[in-house]
Amino acid sequence: KQEVTQIPAALSVPEGENLVLNCSFTDSAIYNLQWFRQDPGKGLTSLLLIQSSQREQTSGRLNASLDKSSGRSTLYIAASQPGDSATYLCAVLPLNQAGTALIFGKGTTLSVSS
Amino acid sequence: KAGVTQTPRYLIKTRGQQVTLSCSPISGHRSVSWYQQTPGQGLQFLFEYFSETQRNKGNFPGRFSGRQFSNSRSEMNVSTLELGDSALYLCASSLGGFRTDRLTYNSPLHFGNGTRLTVT
Repeated sequence: KQEVTQIPAALSVPEGENLVLNCSFTDSAIYNLQWFRQDPGKGLTSLLLIQSSQREQTSGRLNASLDKSSGRSTLYIAASQPGDSATYLCAVLPLNQAGTALIFGKGTTLSVSS
Repeated sequence: KAGVTQTPRYLIKTRGQQVTLSCSPISGHRSVSWYQQTPGQGLQFLFEYFSETQRNKGNFPGRFSGRQFSNSRSEMNVSTLELGDSALYLCASSLGGFRTDRLTYNSPLHFGNGTRLTVT
């Protein structure tokens, strides 16, 4: 059974710092891995999607990498800002299923202080 | 382009009642999926509909059901509400497609802001 783990559960950093969020999954048979951001009381915003054949994706100050063989992904945030404060979730799309049901980690809550 | 719209935003119901939540996907998206989010369990998949057919179902009791209409709008229903059903219910839409079509199948999910259900 696929399980997705995110460590740490919470992280506090000062503004301007570069940081890395970690995501691990137990079964490498995935179609893709997605990173989302969730603000309090809101839905999820898609940040990056990495296909299983890809190693990384970049969008602005965000860079996500995928090492399928080791079951790991990292989300790198450069020059963090207070507006980056949110919960970051990673999710995998398993190969062995129909449809697009994602399996989520429980997220890392990031707080960036000014 | 309008995002995913969920109504209502908040609901308060009593144990034993039933509830219907609505989701309007992004125009052109054929897949709609539903998730339950609680502090203890995190995000858990309920079911997915694609072209009016349920394509996948999570591990929830039969009290949870859903459907999709020809315009891709979707509803989910929870009957005989229990206290443990209190949660944020999130709907997500995507192009969907089939696994053989990488372009659509690999499209990201777009979430609505959810319906906060409180059961008393």
